[in-house]
Amino acid sequence: QVQLVQSGAEVKKPGASVKVSCKASGYTFTSYGISWVRQAPGQGLEWMGWISAYNGNTNYAQKLQGRVTMTTDTSTSTAYMELRSLRSDDTAVYYCARDLLAAADNWGQGTLVTVSS
Amino acid sequence: DIQMTQSPSSLSASVGDRVTITCQASQDISNYLNWYQQKPGKAPKLLIYDASNLETGVPSRFSGSGSGTDFTFTISSLQPEDIATYYCQQYDNLPPTFGQGTKLEIK
Repeated sequence: QVQLVQSGAEVKKPGASVKVSCKASGYTFTSYGISWVRQAPGQGLEWMGWISAYNGNTNYAQKLQGRVTMTTDTSTSTAYMELRSLRSDDTAVYYCARDLLAAADNWGQGTLVTVSS
Repeated sequence: DIQMTQSPSSLSASVGDRVTITCQASQDISNYLNWYQQKPGKAPKLLIYDASNLETGVPSRFSGSGSGTDFTFTISSLQPEDIATYYCQQYDNLPPTFGQGTKLEIK
């Protein structure tokens, strides 16, 4: 069965960086992409960007351009999302999801990132 | 960016009721629309893709319809386990955008 397992919760200070991992199993990793979606406390879903696991092509949300980098390691079927220059409003649960830029059909369990001084 | 407007924002219904949620896009998105269910503390789950196609394993009481700018999500007979927040999402244009969500509660 398809599984996406994310790394654990993080607490960061403003200005720091965070890197969240998402390890995929149960399917051919390079046949899909990975979307990253975040959800601030009590708020809705916000798409952050997408990476093709086939060729590494990326598409980022404009508001995060310059602060976010998405990568993959095909040898370990793992996707990564790094967010830099963290601010308090980056506090959220971050999800990865298997996606072909259509429907996100399998999701990770989420990673809580807390930004606090 | 394409704006997705869901209504209502919250909804209270009884077990067995027929429940309908609407989603309106700010421009024509053909049928490039998905519906997700999110239970508290859990990741979203895909229920409906391409406006009307039921994801494998999803109960048949869930359905979706519409095209262009106006879409409808329906639960034919509400069950206690359907308590969740529901989101529509368009993927016609980048960036994919979500509606603000509809929180469904049991009356």
